[in-house]
Amino acid sequence: DQQVKQNSPSLSVQEGRISILNCDYTNSMFDYFLWYKKYPAEGPTFLISISSIKDKNEDGRFTVFLNKSAKHLSLHIVPSQPGDSAVYFCAASVLNQGGKLIFGQGTELSVKP
Amino acid sequence: EAGVAQSPRYKIIEKRQSVAFWCNPISGHATLYWYQQILGQGPKLLIQFQNNGVVDDSQLPKDRFSAERLKGVDSTLKIQPAKLEDSAVYLCASSFGGYPNYGYTFGSGTRLTVV
Repeated sequence: DQQVKQNSPSLSVQEGRISILNCDYTNSMFDYFLWYKKYPAEGPTFLISISSIKDKNEDGRFTVFLNKSAKHLSLHIVPSQPGDSAVYFCAASVLNQGGKLIFGQGTELSVKP
Repeated sequence: EAGVAQSPRYKIIEKRQSVAFWCNPISGHATLYWYQQILGQGPKLLIQFQNNGVVDDSQLPKDRFSAERLKGVDSTLKIQPAKLEDSAVYLCASSFGGYPNYGYTFGSGTRLTVV
């Protein structure tokens, strides 16, 4: 039972343009969502998060949007840079249940110069 | 601040052999997690410790996997005997108090190949 899904295994974007990564979830109990970035041979590093009481959170070039009714979130990167090339994981959690993260399958972003 | 330390970085073993992974969390982090990431998938939680007690091990294949966290600091994850499908990256993470929005940090992982 895949509770968190990232349906695009890969995405290729031109430098300077917008990258949009999508994530869908099925469990309505999730109340906290995170995006992680992962380079090869490294662990996931935290990028940005959003609580279910919000519909948008912004940090520099990164913005996460949450649509609770559609059970959908997206990560926007503007402008995209070659250093953003990595695998991006969406993760979901229920805050009062110990910090267990449920991850999507990941989307590999390639930003071309 | 030192990050989450894991060793070894890579391990290759034959099926039916045993293997152990070690994790040293960030100092002061009470909660420790072991995740398994199979190629092409996202990480999946195997076991969660709060200090030296197990909070969640519902996804741990207990017939072959075991984990301990002595003295509430370092942790080891063991597989015995290993199967081909255990080939994966094993990630350790730690956090202050079991909340994803409070210092949750991953180590670099141990890549296990079972042949």
